[in-house]
Amino acid sequence: TQLLEQSPQFLSIQEGENLTVYCNSSSVFSSLQWYRQEPGEGPVLLVTVVTGGEVKKLKRLTFQFGDARKDSSLHITAAQPGDTGLYLCAGALGFQKLVFGTGTRLLVSP
Amino acid sequence: DSGVTQTPKHLITATGQRVTLRCSPRSGDLSVYWYQQSLDQGLQFLIQYYNGEERAKGNILERFSAQQFPDLHSELNLSSLELGDSALYFCASSAGSANTYEQYFGPGTRLTVT
Repeated sequence: TQLLEQSPQFLSIQEGENLTVYCNSSSVFSSLQWYRQEPGEGPVLLVTVVTGGEVKKLKRLTFQFGDARKDSSLHITAAQPGDTGLYLCAGALGFQKLVFGTGTRLLVSP
Repeated sequence: DSGVTQTPKHLITATGQRVTLRCSPRSGDLSVYWYQQSLDQGLQFLIQYYNGEERAKGNILERFSAQQFPDLHSELNLSSLELGDSALYFCASSAGSANTYEQYFGPGTRLTVT
C-alpha cells in the first residue's frame, strides 16, 4: 500500500502552460517536502511545508500544504523546458520516517 | 551540488557477487539514509543511521547491510546479488532535525547485475 499517491503520473505540456500536481494521503504528516529529480541525478529539495494551510512560493512554483496536513499541491505557472523532471513529494511520519510519493513525471516542450 | 558524495557512480557485477557502496554526508550532517530506486518501485527507503547507530529500517533485504563509521561516512553492502537488485542506490543526509526531516541526496550509484 502506497501511503502517498501523486497525480497525475505523467504530464506532457507546452511551454507557457500552467499545471498542478497533487500529493494525497490518508496519513497525517508532521511536514511535507517536494523534490525534483532529473535523469541520472539525485532528488533535489525544493521546499518544506510544516503548518496546515501553509503556502510557499518559489519563483513560478507555488506549494500548498492541506489544512489537515494529509495532502499537498504544487502549481507551476508558465512552465518552461527547464522545469522538466520527476517531481516527488515526501511526507515525514513523526520522527522516524520520510515516505516518498509515487512521483509525477513532467515534460515541458518548447 | 548537494555536498553528499557517493562512489562509485556506476557498478556492473554478476549475480551472486557482493558489492559495497560508499557515501559521505554533507559536512555537519549526522544522519545518513539509503534508498533504492527502480523504475517499477519508485524511491524506496532502505535504512537510516544517526551518528553511528541504526535509527530506522525500511524495506531492506536480509542480503543487504549498512553501517556508519565514526567519521560519519556510510557503506551499504549488497551480497548474493540478483538481477532484480539492479537499480539506482541513493544516499541522503540530514542534520537530524526531527521536525522537518529535510534530506540532501547524493548523485547515486547505478548498479547493474548481469
